[in-house]
Amino acid sequence: DAGVIQSPRHEVTEMGQEVTLRCKPISGHDYLFWYRQTMMRGLELLIYFNNNVPIDDSGMPEDRFSAKMPNASFSTLKIQPSEPRDSAVYFCASSPDPQGETQYFGPGTRLLVL
Amino acid sequence: QKEVEQNSGPLSVPEGAIASLNCTYSDRGSQSFFWYRQYSGKSPELIMSIYSNGDKEDGRFTAQLNKASQYVSLLIRDSQPSDSATYLCAVITWGTSYGKLTFGQGTILTVHP
Repeated sequence: DAGVIQSPRHEVTEMGQEVTLRCKPISGHDYLFWYRQTMMRGLELLIYFNNNVPIDDSGMPEDRFSAKMPNASFSTLKIQPSEPRDSAVYFCASSPDPQGETQYFGPGTRLLVL
Repeated sequence: QKEVEQNSGPLSVPEGAIASLNCTYSDRGSQSFFWYRQYSGKSPELIMSIYSNGDKEDGRFTAQLNKASQYVSLLIRDSQPSDSATYLCAVITWGTSYGKLTFGQGTILTVHP
């Protein structure tokens, strides 16, 4: 199994630009999670999906952030417009468990907004 | 109060020693507890889970849970330099109808030769 796949691995952009992060979960995993990790705030859950349906988006910082899961094998996290404070590592994780007890993390996307 | 709190660290231990990592949680309804390990520049990976009060051992790792005290710990025996990483405590916390995994801030562990 290839594991969770994320792209791009690194992204450098300028303030105001749109950023799209992509994730392919492990096949058969019904739960998908998007996290953001910074030194100051640690690992924060942004949103999670069950069978492509968003269950909890309370962690999405503001309207500039949006996430979609059009099918079981693909999800996107979009930031529009991006700001320097969005600079972080964004992880996607998938799980076969209802509460996501065992989560398999992707390698992450390191985002730098200048 | 944060939902999941870990001892701030960083923690430095000599090779061969026991490393003790601690975590407290605020949701008394939590039933599931996990330790993830994250090497620098890498993604978190699950190393231990525990659901019942007491100890659970897996090789050099022992997880301890005390629900009455809302406390969970991870002991690493015979610490090795390869154990140097950030250890994240995670707890299933419950909303109105669903649970989700909530992570602590992490404790950085350094094992020096």
